[in-house]
Amino acid sequence: KAGVTQTPRYLIKTRGQQVTLSCSPISGHRSVSWYQQTPGQGLQFLFEYFSETQRNKGNFPGRFSGRQFSNSRSEMNVSTLELGDSALYLCASSSGLAGSPSYEQYFGPGTRLTVT
Amino acid sequence: SQQGEEDPQALSIQEGENATMNCSYKTSINNLQWYRQNSGRGLVHLILIRSNEREKHSGRLRVTLDTSKKSSSLLITASRAADTASYFCATDAGRHTGANSKLTFGKGITLSVRP
Repeated sequence: KAGVTQTPRYLIKTRGQQVTLSCSPISGHRSVSWYQQTPGQGLQFLFEYFSETQRNKGNFPGRFSGRQFSNSRSEMNVSTLELGDSALYLCASSSGLAGSPSYEQYFGPGTRLTVT
Repeated sequence: SQQGEEDPQALSIQEGENATMNCSYKTSINNLQWYRQNSGRGLVHLILIRSNEREKHSGRLRVTLDTSKKSSSLLITASRAADTASYFCATDAGRHTGANSKLTFGKGITLSVRP
């Protein structure tokens, strides 16, 4: 099976711009989660989508949003970029089946976003 | 906020030695997972231990979980230079009403294995 793919891998944006990142999960996986990784705050959960619905949400401002398509691919959008949004953005996919026991998540290589 | 706190923050050992990394957490959990990250790349899942398990093995990895102390340890035996990476513990403390994808990560341990 192909792994989780994220595009683009690197991105440079200017303050005030907006950005859209894409994640394609492993085939058959219906849950996609997004995480932000920075040296100061470490890995922080942004949100999770399952069957096109946001199921979990972290403590990030409304500038961070996401969506999931019927083929389980997911996008996250950050509007009005700030310098502090510079980070590695990771997505993870899992089966996400309701009622299942805890399961592992498979991470993509990440998108490195630099805001100048 | 961080749920898991790993220690030490950095560990440097000689190839062939064992590496022990510890993780403490604050709230009740469903499971605890360990991940590896090589130099700013994606995370690789290493092992998952459920809250009702005390020890688990996978190849050269051994994980223990003590829920009474809210702590876990990851032991890598006979370390190799290729084990050089950052290691994270992550806890899943979500509801039982559905699959829980919200992992809370510690800040990580940087392991250097000298050849």
